[in-house]
Parts: sequence; C-alpha cells; structure tokens
Amino acid sequence: EPEVTQTPSHQVTQMGQEVILRCVPISNHLYFYWYRQILGQKVEFLVSFYNNEISEKSEIFDDQFSVERPDGSNFTLKIRSTKLEDSAMYFCASTGDQTNYGYTFGSGTRLTVV
Amino acid sequence: GDSVTQMEGPVTLSEEAFLTINCTYTATGYPSLFWYVQYPGEGLQLLLKATKADDKGSNKGFEATYRKETTSFHLEKGSVQVSDSAVYFCALSDTGRRALTFGSGTRLQVQP
Repeated sequence: EPEVTQTPSHQVTQMGQEVILRCVPISNHLYFYWYRQILGQKVEFLVSFYNNEISEKSEIFDDQFSVERPDGSNFTLKIRSTKLEDSAMYFCASTGDQTNYGYTFGSGTRLTVV
Repeated sequence: GDSVTQMEGPVTLSEEAFLTINCTYTATGYPSLFWYVQYPGEGLQLLLKATKADDKGSNKGFEATYRKETTSFHLEKGSVQVSDSAVYFCALSDTGRRALTFGSGTRLQVQP
C-alpha cells in the first residue's frame, strides 16, 4: 500500500538553528499538508499546499515557517530559527483529490529543540 | 472557530468489552466528521468518516453516527480486542476548508 515517508524520524536541534523536515508524499497525490502535535496536546494544522503554492495556512504558520516542493517528489517544511516551543511531532500528509476523505499521513518526525 | 472535544483517556478495557469514546464538535458550516487511529510508531490512519447528518461510518467493527442535533460523533465497538489498543482521534473538516481540526486524542488500552 502506498505510504507517505518522513525523514528523519527524530531530529534534535539547538535553539536558533534552521531545520528542514522532509516528506515524500504518495506519488500521484496533489495536495500536501503539514500538521504538528506538541506533546500531550492536539494535532494542529499548519499548512496545505497545492499546485506549487500554499492554499491554506493556520496562525501557527508564521514567517519562521516555509514549505517547498523542490523536485516533484519531496515536500519540505523549514523552520528558520527554531524555538523551544517548536518541539513537537510533525506529520506530513497528502491527498489525491479535492475531498478531505483520503488523507494519508506519514509516521511523523519528532523535533526536539534544546 | 471550529473545535473538537474528546473524552480524556486513557480508557482501559478488558478484551470483548464494549467501547464508547465520546466526541463533540463545534463548527460554523456543515462539517465532515472523521475518526483516525494511531498505532504505536505509526502515522494517523483514517478509521471511518461521515459526511452529513445521520450518516453512519463504519469500519473494522467500529462505528459512529453523525448527530447534528447533539453535535456528536461518538465512536463505538461492540467487542474490543487487544489489537485495538491505540490512540483514537476525532476530527472534522468544515465547509470549504481543507484543514482537519482534531480532538486531543483518547488512548485505548485493551487488556487480555
């Protein structure tokens, strides 16, 4: 069964450093997403991406965050200057159609900012 | 704004017990409702969905009915198994939005 692959599974970074989280969505999917879950809290929507541009973003997704699909297969989330409160599990997801019924999530990257 | 409220966990049951995980929601439009499950070390998987009032979603023995009058979407299973141990998330997608709004998740532990 097709999967969304995220790398690395765990990343530790120092506060103030830039970090890039990587995702390989399902190959024929068109819509891509990032969500995050701070430990013990809800899964929160960050951003959706379609046709090489952001289609929707949340209040969390400020100027410190950016997304990119650099090569037609990878989908990345960049955090420019990490803060302690960015520590969370980050989930990538993709869908193949215009509904929200077919989300496929990756298994997540745990980001720890020290 | 949209929100989803789930019962606090963990929920601990014996095998073959009846399961209910409560979920209520607030939405401005006519949302679609979902239950996702997360097994240890894995991503979120869609368990079932309902797209309009009175729809019943079902999968793998789990079911949930979209109740607009009570703004609820409670998850039920008649006889749980140890393999059902996981974290269950209720979620909604409001009209015209692609984003999912999640509840906080409920951990289910089933003991043999």
